[in-house]
Amino acid sequence: GAVVSQHPSRVICKSGTSVKIECRSLDFQATTMFWYRQFPKQSLMLMATSNEGSKATYEQGVEKDKFLINHASLTLSTLTVTSAHPEDSSFYICSARDGQTLGHEQYFGPGTRLTVT
Amino acid sequence: EDKVVQSPLSLVVHEGDTVTLNCSYEVTNFRSLLWYKQEKKAPTFLFMLTSSGIEKKSGRLSSILDKKELFSILNITATQTGDSAVYLCAVSMDSNYQLIWGAGTKLIIKP
Repeated sequence: GAVVSQHPSRVICKSGTSVKIECRSLDFQATTMFWYRQFPKQSLMLMATSNEGSKATYEQGVEKDKFLINHASLTLSTLTVTSAHPEDSSFYICSARDGQTLGHEQYFGPGTRLTVT
Repeated sequence: EDKVVQSPLSLVVHEGDTVTLNCSYEVTNFRSLLWYKQEKKAPTFLFMLTSSGIEKKSGRLSSILDKKELFSILNITATQTGDSAVYLCAVSMDSNYQLIWGAGTKLIIKP
């Protein structure tokens, strides 16, 4: 149980284009999903928290107009990197929390490696 | 300021050794402490600890929480090369579901 999928696993795009990353909870209802960014040899950096049906809460320093998050259903959240630049190249990971439990554990997707050329 | 500190930052041992990883925390409204293992991709969930003194165990891995001294340890016995990974500790609070992350311990098991 508690499986989270993420798609695509790897994407290369040109500077100025937009990229959408999907995060799905496969066997539970994810009332809360999180988007992280991770640079090589560094820990996870939380970008935003999204609750199903409401606007995402962004961490300080994260541009909400650049990183668009939509959590339209209990099993799907999407992150769209708009007008991508090479400095947006990173490993993006989503996680989800099971809304049916009281626990705070997050289950992670396998991550998306974004390279902007 | 809420923080989670892990030690050591890196550790190299030989296969078969036992290792102990440490995680200390200072947070307001503590709810639970979580351990994750991260290999090449995203973290995988190991344990969630909420109460002091109750050991959680899964195979060769075990963990315990001390809420008085504000720390947790993760033990791995009879280590194998497949245990090589970064082990992340995170703490959650009552106020929301976000996790405060430690920097991780990079564990390398030599054959």
